[in-house]
Amino acid sequence: QVQLQESGPGLVKPSETLSLTCAVSGYSISSGYYWGWIRQPPGKGLEWIGSIYHSGSTYYNPSLKSRVTISVDTSKNQFSLKLSSVTAADTAVYYCARHYHDYALYNWFDPWGQGTLVTVSS
Amino acid sequence: SSELTQDPAVSVALGQTVRITCQGDSLRSYYASWYQQKPGQAPVLVIYGKNNRPSGIPDRFSGSSSGNTASLTITGAQAEDEADYYCNSRDSSGNPLFGGGTKLTVL
Repeated sequence: QVQLQESGPGLVKPSETLSLTCAVSGYSISSGYYWGWIRQPPGKGLEWIGSIYHSGSTYYNPSLKSRVTISVDTSKNQFSLKLSSVTAADTAVYYCARHYHDYALYNWFDPWGQGTLVTVSS
Repeated sequence: SSELTQDPAVSVALGQTVRITCQGDSLRSYYASWYQQKPGQAPVLVIYGKNNRPSGIPDRFSGSSSGNTASLTITGAQAEDEADYYCNSRDSSGNPLFGGGTKLTVL
């Protein structure tokens, strides 16, 4: 059974960099799939941040691309998110998820981690 | 358009059938997936692909698509189905995109 677990600071100061890690168990990242980050501001909807393939190939939400870096560490079976120059608008629950993505018709996220709340405040 | 539009709220009587819709131009090209999210919990995939249910999802959940509209149908809604539902597909550039979500109330 595939499980994902986010970890990282719950409080980040404005203008600093948010850093989170997603540890994957029950499945080897090297076996395939994309691996994604999604966020949800309090009381609002879901926003895809970006995804990474086990090879390291990435693609990002254009609205966040200039501030986002996603990397993968296959030796630790985990992947990470960095979001720079954060503001209060980046306050959200951040989820990681396995991302099925083909180059034709299909796209879904399953399973998801439990999520971690990151608050941007001084 | 690179948006997926959902009705903010829908209600259904216990045991009745409800359809939750998701509209967007990209749905003419890509299939939608659907997620259920209960308060304080992570989203859970309920429908993916043409009309596939992950293991453990009851068969009262089904998906369909026509033109620019994808639908999630719950046949015989149960009290435990009360939740927020999100559709997910792609925008015109092929990037993942979520709808704004629909709050389902079971009366």
